[in-house]
Amino acid sequence: QSVVTQPPSASGTPGQRVTISCSGSNSNIGSNTINWYQQLPGTAPKLLIYSNNQRPSGVPDRFSGSKSGTSASLAISGLQSEDEADYYCAAWDDGLNDYVFGTGTKVTVL
Amino acid sequence: QVQLQESGPGLVKPSETLSLTCTVSGGSIGSYYWSWIRQPPGKGLEWIGYIDYSGSANYSPSLKSRVFISVDTSKNQFSLKVRFVTAADTAVYYCARRVEAYDAFDIWGQGTLVTVSS
Repeated sequence: QSVVTQPPSASGTPGQRVTISCSGSNSNIGSNTINWYQQLPGTAPKLLIYSNNQRPSGVPDRFSGSKSGTSASLAISGLQSEDEADYYCAAWDDGLNDYVFGTGTKVTVL
Repeated sequence: QVQLQESGPGLVKPSETLSLTCTVSGGSIGSYYWSWIRQPPGKGLEWIGYIDYSGSANYSPSLKSRVFISVDTSKNQFSLKVRFVTAADTAVYYCARRVEAYDAFDIWGQGTLVTVSS
């Protein structure tokens, strides 16, 4: 089991705002930057957010990240059908000396 | 544009060694860390380890005793070996480039499925 937890699923209709939470501890999210990855069905993960709230070139500004204490969140505003994917948060864990991925959240567009 | 491509056997017998290679094209293997990450069918992502161009490696504690990552700068490749595999090692294996400043994996290979079965 991962030490960083996410809700297994989230959903919304097109145009809605969806938020995904990521809960960790002082040794991971509380001490280090968090990154978010998007994995479309049948494809490799893609870096979506780095350093808590930075978007790589080409990532729409509909995606935003934030962090507070030992938790983080990813928001998708103006949800689109192509956003249907699995989303993972991730951070280095100083206590485990390990890079930990969250449990993953499947986003469904209704 | 940097691209990564995994290669290696898709089937490995239990107790044997899994060996994969990642070829980096469109850029030099220098100045970055290069990683392996795996994903069992229907499950989440698991970090295996990473190596830099000089050969300095760091492994996940859960796999450290069975894993070895190496780099060949002359071929712009890095490789993964997992010893004594079991069915639990069946997964899609991804290679990825790690950006140290952000501790993030910004470029990924397409992944290769390795099944452990007799």
